[in-house]
Amino acid sequence: QKEVEQNSGPLSVPEGAIASLNCTYSDRGSQSFFWYRQYSGKSPELIMFIYSNGDKEDGRFTAQLNKASQYVSLLIRDSQPSDSATYLCAVSPGGGNQFYFGTGTSLTVIP
Amino acid sequence: EAGVAQSPRYKIIEKRQSVAFWCNPISGHATLYWYQQILGQGPKLLIQFQNNGVVDDSQLPKDRFSAERLKGVDSTLKIQPAKLEDSAVYLCASSYMVQETQYFGPGTRLLVL
Repeated sequence: QKEVEQNSGPLSVPEGAIASLNCTYSDRGSQSFFWYRQYSGKSPELIMFIYSNGDKEDGRFTAQLNKASQYVSLLIRDSQPSDSATYLCAVSPGGGNQFYFGTGTSLTVIP
Repeated sequence: EAGVAQSPRYKIIEKRQSVAFWCNPISGHATLYWYQQILGQGPKLLIQFQNNGVVDDSQLPKDRFSAERLKGVDSTLKIQPAKLEDSAVYLCASSYMVQETQYFGPGTRLLVL
């Protein structure tokens, strides 16, 4: 069974710190990896996607992928209170198959 | 560029009633998805369309849920009859192609009493 695992949290970090969010997946053939942010009562919005091993940076966000360890992470530098949300990891096995979402990690940035 | 549109935004019904949700994807997006998100959980895919054909409906409770995407654009999701456990947010998403970034609509919050 294909699974995506995330720590549900809550994760609390002080403003200005680095927040580290982790995700593991079970399907070794997975090809595409996505991080979505979901504010309470809102729909998910894309933060980043990553396809290749290594790091991918976009502003304050860095996605890290390690396919050998079946692990993808999201780092948020200089965390702001506006980053407080639930972060969803999504994995696509490829071959036109569906995305699998994790349950999300709740992040609170304390001013 | 207009985003994914959904209606209604909120719906309250009694169990055993029927309900329908509508979704209009981003223009040009061939792939359309319906998700169910129960409070505290991640979205669960119900059905995926590629144009007007079904790609994956393995997690759709077919005894009560149905969906269609006529003409490969708008889509409707129907529940008949509704159960208490169907209370959730129903999210519609679209993408240009399969495996590409999905963009979500605002969702429909369903409460079944």
